[in-house]
Amino acid sequence: RKEVEQDPGPFNVPEGATVAFNCTYSNSASQSFFWYRQDCRKEPKLLMSVYSSGNEDGRFTAQLNRASQYISLLIRDSKLSDSATYLCVVKPNQAGTALIFGKGTTLSVSS
Amino acid sequence: GAVVSQHPSWVICKSGTSVKIECRSLDFQATTMFWYRQFPKQSLMLMATSNEGSKATYEQGVEKDKFLINHASLTLSTLTVTSAHPEDSSFYICSAGTGGFHEQYFGPGTRLTVT
Repeated sequence: RKEVEQDPGPFNVPEGATVAFNCTYSNSASQSFFWYRQDCRKEPKLLMSVYSSGNEDGRFTAQLNRASQYISLLIRDSKLSDSATYLCVVKPNQAGTALIFGKGTTLSVSS
Repeated sequence: GAVVSQHPSWVICKSGTSVKIECRSLDFQATTMFWYRQFPKQSLMLMATSNEGSKATYEQGVEKDKFLINHASLTLSTLTVTSAHPEDSSFYICSAGTGGFHEQYFGPGTRLTVT
C-alpha cells in the first residue's frame, strides 16, 4: 500500500462547480497534513494545512479524519485559476523529516 | 520571507557529463535541505536528506555515488548528477527547513534534460 493515495483524477468541472478531493495515508503516526498545489512545470506551493477540527480558507475547506486516516479538500465556486494538480502531503511523526507526497489529482476548470 | 532559490532553472546536457544544481535559502538558515525528483505525471519522490556539515542520507534505490550532495553551509546545498543518462531527465526540486521545523519551503525546481 502506498503511503499517500489520492483520487486518480483528472477532474474536469465547469466554473462555479464544487469539487472534492480525497486522500488516505498509511502511517497512523503521521503528525502533520497539508494540501499543496502544483502548476505545470512549477514547484509545489502550500495551499493549506489540515487540522482535525477542519479548517476553511475562503473557498477551500480541508478535513482530517485520523481514525480513518483520511483527508479531504473541498473547493467551492471553482475558478479557472484553480486548474492545477492538488497534492495531498503527509509529514511523519518526527520533526525535521521530509514530506511524503501523494501522486496528485489534476483539476481542470473550464468556462 | 522563507525564499528558496535553485540554479539553474533548466539545463540540457549530453550523456556522460555531470550537472550541478544549487539550492539556496535566501533569507533563513536551513539546517536541513531535501532533494526531490519528479517524473512526468508522478509524485515528488524524496531522493536524499541533507544536513549541514554532515553526509546526506539517501533514500533506498538512490545511488549516492551518482547523485552527490554537499551541504557545506546553512544556506547552500548542491546536487551533482554525475555521468548523466537520459533516464536521469527529470524535475529536481529542493526544499529547506530549520531545526525542528514542520514546514518546508520549496525551490522553483530544475528541469534536467539529458540527450
